[in-house]
Amino acid sequence: SQKIEQNSEALNIQEGKTATLTCNYTNYSPAYLQWYRQDPGRGPVFLLLIRENEKEKRKERLKVTFDTTLKQSLFHITASQPADSATYLCALVYTGGFKTIFGAGTRLFVKA
Amino acid sequence: DTGVSQNPRHKITKRGQNVTFRCDPISEHNRLYWYRQTLGQGPEFLTYFQNEAQLEKSRLLSDRFSAERPKGSFSTLEIQRTEQGDSAMYLCASSAARGGRADTQYFGPGTRLTVL
Repeated sequence: SQKIEQNSEALNIQEGKTATLTCNYTNYSPAYLQWYRQDPGRGPVFLLLIRENEKEKRKERLKVTFDTTLKQSLFHITASQPADSATYLCALVYTGGFKTIFGAGTRLFVKA
Repeated sequence: DTGVSQNPRHKITKRGQNVTFRCDPISEHNRLYWYRQTLGQGPEFLTYFQNEAQLEKSRLLSDRFSAERPKGSFSTLEIQRTEQGDSAMYLCASSAARGGRADTQYFGPGTRLTVL
């Protein structure tokens, strides 16, 4: 069965630094991969989507990479701010399916 | 665009009781998803609707769970004979993807269920 692994330990970084979060998956590659942000007590909020034929996608301070050989996606937040503190979820959708598979998420703390 | 809404936001019930949750998606969104999330975990897929048709249901879902989307608009999720293990946040999401297009899901605030 498909499995997603994200850093289980919280990531603590200083304001202004770049945060890098990792998402690894097993088995075959998904049709596309998404990153969501989730704040405590709230539903996830979509951030970025990257397709299997794309290597990199950017949006403002966010950057996502997708390496289908390593079966890995990296999510970067540059010039991080305390307001970026949240849990970040990686999600995969496979070709021909509707089911979205989420990782457990990585908690990010940005210290001022 | 008022976003996805869910009711109730919180539900406390005794073991063995039935509960029903409602989700109102963003208007004209044809896809609707239900997820369950427990502390420290990501959302776990439960079921998916395209318009009024339920196209996929997780094998993890027992027969005590049922979902409907009768007119292709709002949806309900019912849990019968609740168990303590059903305690979780139940999330609804909707999207407007057509055909095989990639899917950006918009989540509601969730319904937190506590089974005593």
